[in-house]
Amino acid sequence: QVQLKESGPGLVQPSQTLSLTCTVSGFSLTSYNVHWVRQPPGKGLEWMGRMRYNGDTSYNSALKSRLSISRDTSKNQVFLKMNSLQTDDTGTYYCTRYNNFDYWGQGVMVTVSS
Amino acid sequence: DIVMTQSPFSLAVSEGEMVTINCKSSQSLLSSGNQKNYLAWYQQKPGQSPKLLIYYASTRQSGVPDRFIGSGSGTDFTLTISDVQAEDLADYYCLQHYSYPFTFGSGTKLEIK
Repeated sequence: QVQLKESGPGLVQPSQTLSLTCTVSGFSLTSYNVHWVRQPPGKGLEWMGRMRYNGDTSYNSALKSRLSISRDTSKNQVFLKMNSLQTDDTGTYYCTRYNNFDYWGQGVMVTVSS
Repeated sequence: DIVMTQSPFSLAVSEGEMVTINCKSSQSLLSSGNQKNYLAWYQQKPGQSPKLLIYYASTRQSGVPDRFIGSGSGTDFTLTISDVQAEDLADYYCLQHYSYPFTFGSGTKLEIK
């Protein structure tokens, strides 16, 4: 069955780089787009960017200068890297499959703090 | 960027009542190519990931109870929940995926009296 699972460090220091991995199963990264969405504690959802099935990427313009999304199709993984982290980057980060976002990972909580 | 204005911020109803949640987009979400509205609704229960309820504005995702109804076209959309159940306690979000960057509504918190 379709599954997505995010992994990464729970704590990142301010100004450092966040690296997250989304490992998928039950579908191919060369057939579906995978997106990243984040949610600050107690707040709403924010679309961050996407990895297209053909390897193309799109980013939220508000994050574009700090954000990079890549993939390794042999490992069924999509990666998110975001630099210059600040405290307002604290939140839960989700990866989701773009078929109207029908499947989501469980999310990974990231805290930016010294 | 397309702005999604969602209302109300919160509402509290008793079981068995009906609720409506609205989303208004700053641009039309209707594709002239396939006549589909690129608007989806999600339910997020406390401590859980969002769950797809409705896509293309009015198509119910498989397994979603038929008391969840999506309607609207162009720039104005509504999620109606009839016969609200205690299990419907959640936050609800609309999403436009007509153009990048995709944007979510600000969310509606549904409480059960």
